[in-house]
Amino acid sequence: DGGITQSPKYLFRKEGQNVTLSCEQNLNHDAMYWYRQDPGQGLRLIYYSQIVNDFQKGDIAEGYSVSREKKESFPLTVTSAQKNPTAFYLCASSITWGIGNQPQHFGDGTRLSIL
Amino acid sequence: DAKTTQPNSMESNEEEPVHLPCNHSTISGTDYIHWYRQLPSQGPEYVIHGLTSNVNNRMASLAIAEDRKSSTLILHRATLRDAAVYYCILRDSGNTGKLIFGQGTTLQVKP
Repeated sequence: DGGITQSPKYLFRKEGQNVTLSCEQNLNHDAMYWYRQDPGQGLRLIYYSQIVNDFQKGDIAEGYSVSREKKESFPLTVTSAQKNPTAFYLCASSITWGIGNQPQHFGDGTRLSIL
Repeated sequence: DAKTTQPNSMESNEEEPVHLPCNHSTISGTDYIHWYRQLPSQGPEYVIHGLTSNVNNRMASLAIAEDRKSSTLILHRATLRDAAVYYCILRDSGNTGKLIFGQGTTLQVKP
């Protein structure tokens, strides 16, 4: 079945450490997104990629970095510059970007905590 | 960015219809109305979307007001598996395609 796979499901970060969250999709979608969700809140956009080898900052990009070297992969690195990284991170994809009638498909998320 | 307003929580009895309201008075002419739902510790799941006309699919129906300033998600027969947070979202058809999430409505379904 096609879908989005995020790994790991749970991740712990030490102070001063960078960690990378994996996101893989086999839906052949051009656009991919990273969101952050804090308890009891909606999702906020961190980064998005319209197409391979391209990505743009979202609303809360500080302290995060991404790459899009392959169409199916969009990893997110949470750097030590992100002072409050504890959250639920969600990856999503859509067929293309900027088209209002296309749904986004989400993975099951990675929960990041600080040791 | 256009925003949506939803009730914080609603309750329903199992096998009864549920009407989840959403206000979006600042919607632009090209914004699509999307609904997603999210179970605890899972990613959001797409439910339905529409622009101007009412829409039906296997999961739900979407009724859109004539002036497009409000909409209602209709679950025809609620089941326990429908208990979730429901988000009404205006899909930004501009420069990011991002989903603008609000607080959502927590739906409780009682047996």
